[in-house]
Amino acid sequence: DVKVTQSSRYLVKRTGEKVFLECVQDMDHENMFWYRQDPGLGLRLIYFSYDVKMKEKGDIPEGYSVSREKKERFSLILESASTNQTSMYLCASRGTGLNEQFFGPGTRLTVL
Amino acid sequence: QQQVKQSPQSLIVQKGGIPIINCAYENTAFDYFPWYQQFPGKGPALLIAIRPDVSEKKEGRFTISFNKSAKQFSLHIMDSQPGDSATYFCAASRGSSGSRLTFGEGTQLTVNP
Repeated sequence: DVKVTQSSRYLVKRTGEKVFLECVQDMDHENMFWYRQDPGLGLRLIYFSYDVKMKEKGDIPEGYSVSREKKERFSLILESASTNQTSMYLCASRGTGLNEQFFGPGTRLTVL
Repeated sequence: QQQVKQSPQSLIVQKGGIPIINCAYENTAFDYFPWYQQFPGKGPALLIAIRPDVSEKKEGRFTISFNKSAKQFSLHIMDSQPGDSATYFCAASRGSSGSRLTFGEGTQLTVNP
C-alpha cells in the first residue's frame, strides 16, 4: 500500500515564525503536491513538484515555498507564518502516468 | 476562481436513502473526473472516477453520472449507511498523465441510523 506520511498531525506556531511541514512517500512517486483545506473552499493547490528539485506554483502559492531535495520528500515552508495561514495542510503523491493521488493524514496548523 | 463547483455544502439523509452530490465544471479540456472520500482525521482517498467517454460508472453502491453537454457530473450513493458519513470532494483534471486536480468545495454527508 502507498503510504504518505506527514511529520506532524497538529502544530501551533506564533506569527512571524518560520514553519516547516514535511511529507514523505514510500512508493517512488515522481509527483508530489501540497494543498490546504479550508471549510467551504475545498482543497486548494499550493505547490507541486514533478521531479526532484523541480517545482511549480499552484493556485495559492503566496506566502509559501517548497523544497524537494530527494524524490521521497517534499517540504512546505512558511517563511513568516501569519494567522491567515491557519489551516489543514495535506500532502499527496502520484505516480507518473497514473491518475490517483494518495494523500497523507494532514497537518492542522494553528498560527497564533 | 473555482473551476469546479460542488453542491450541496452539506447533506443529511436517513439510512437507506440515496444522497446525490452534484458538480459542474467550466474547462472543456478536463477529461478525468474523480470523487474523493474523506473521513474525519484522515486524508482524502479516491472513491470512484469517470472519463467523459461514458455517461455512467458504478462501483458497488457508488455511481457517477456524467453529462458532457451540460458539463456536470454527480455522485449517487445507493442504500446509504452511517459508515458513508464523510466529506466528499469532486475533482477534475486534463491530460492522460493526470496533471493537477482541481477540487470542488466539498460536501459533508451525514447518514443517520
